[in-house]
Amino acid sequence: KQEVTQIPAALSVPEGENLVLNCSFTDSAIYNLQWFRQDPGKGLTSLLLIQSSQREQTSGRLNASLDKSSGRSTLYIAASQPGDSATYLCAVDKAAGNKLTFGGGTRVLVKP
Amino acid sequence: ETGVTQSPTHLIKTRGQQVTLRCSSQSGHNTVSWYQQALGQGPQFIFQYYREEENGRGNFPPRFSGLQFPNYSSELNVNALELDDSALYLCASFFELLTDTQYFGPGTRLTVL
Repeated sequence: KQEVTQIPAALSVPEGENLVLNCSFTDSAIYNLQWFRQDPGKGLTSLLLIQSSQREQTSGRLNASLDKSSGRSTLYIAASQPGDSATYLCAVDKAAGNKLTFGGGTRVLVKP
Repeated sequence: ETGVTQSPTHLIKTRGQQVTLRCSSQSGHNTVSWYQQALGQGPQFIFQYYREEENGRGNFPPRFSGLQFPNYSSELNVNALELDDSALYLCASFFELLTDTQYFGPGTRLTVL
């Protein structure tokens, strides 16, 4: 059974610092890995999707890496802003079809 | 905004009651997944419907059931509510099973007293 863990559970940084969020998964046989953002009480917004054959994906200030063999992914957010305050979730898909297994999330607070 | 809507926004029920939650998929999407997110946790996959048929189920008991209609809107039904069913219920829609991008609705917050 796939298990996804995110450490730390919460993170507080001053504005301008770089954020590093970690995700680990127990079964390396994945189809893809996705990072989502969730604002309080809201749905999920997809940030980055990394296919199993890829090592990283970038979008603006966001960069996500994937090391499938070690079961790890890292999300980097450069030059954090107060608007980046949210919960960040990683999720893995075992096969095509979007039946995702999520981690517990990292709650991020960026202080002005 | 993703184009996926859910109703109601909030709901309060008592233990033992039944509840129906609704999801309207983004236009053209024929697949919908439902997730349960307990407070402070990540979402858990409940089940998925593709072209009105169940296409996979997570580790949830049979009292969690669903329907997908010809217009691809869907329902999640939960019978014999338990206190632990209190959660945010999310639906996500996408087109065809090989599409990686899915769009989440805002969720329905269910409280069971």
